[in-house]
Amino acid sequence: GAGVSQTPSNKVTEKGKYVELRCDPISGHTALYWYRQSLGQGPEFLIYFQGTGAADDSGLPNDRFFAVRPEGSVSTLKIQRTERGDSAVYLCASSRSGQGLNNVLTFGAGSRLTVL
Amino acid sequence: DQQVKQNSPSLSVQEGRISILNCDYTNSMFDYFLWYKKYPAEGPTFLISISSIKDKNEDGRFTVFLNKSAKHLSLHIVPSQPGDSAVYFCAARTSGGSNYKLTFGKGTLLTVNP
Repeated sequence: GAGVSQTPSNKVTEKGKYVELRCDPISGHTALYWYRQSLGQGPEFLIYFQGTGAADDSGLPNDRFFAVRPEGSVSTLKIQRTERGDSAVYLCASSRSGQGLNNVLTFGAGSRLTVL
Repeated sequence: DQQVKQNSPSLSVQEGRISILNCDYTNSMFDYFLWYKKYPAEGPTFLISISSIKDKNEDGRFTVFLNKSAKHLSLHIVPSQPGDSAVYFCAARTSGGSNYKLTFGKGTLLTVNP
């Protein structure tokens, strides 16, 4: 597509529930990223995919968070046993290669997660 | 530990005047810097960048200045327009093994008044 598409745009869930957030990157972009933006903060890195593999998942806060990109295109961020502190906007971005000075990330509009 | 700091949460400027947004960083390994602009309910969009080998980069009304010795950069918008009203994020990365990873500041909300 023309841009990075994220669904749902808004998700309200109860503490303890399981949540999936989807990202559809720009066609042809091999690199995909997830960031999390909490209230009053800048985006924080969660995970980076190069193709199908997670090249760096060092930003995932704990083992309740997991992300996949099985075919090297669409990615799903999965959060188990959600907690109120998980409430944030989850941003997905993609870029052509993931490397080089001209590696500019294009972000989606984000998925706003609210855990009650 | 905030490695990229934007100490002004907000800035208000009159249309036609200059807007100056500031950013400081602490990690001396950062050598590439970017500014992103974000409107409500939209994702951040890339605005302008600068490599540490330069001290200035200009693109139309937008100029970014880098002072490596002070670990400080600034974004100048001249002249400011009401459509520039948005949150501006400063971001930085290294050229090493993790050069795909951006570290963002908390952002500065710019309001340009007509």
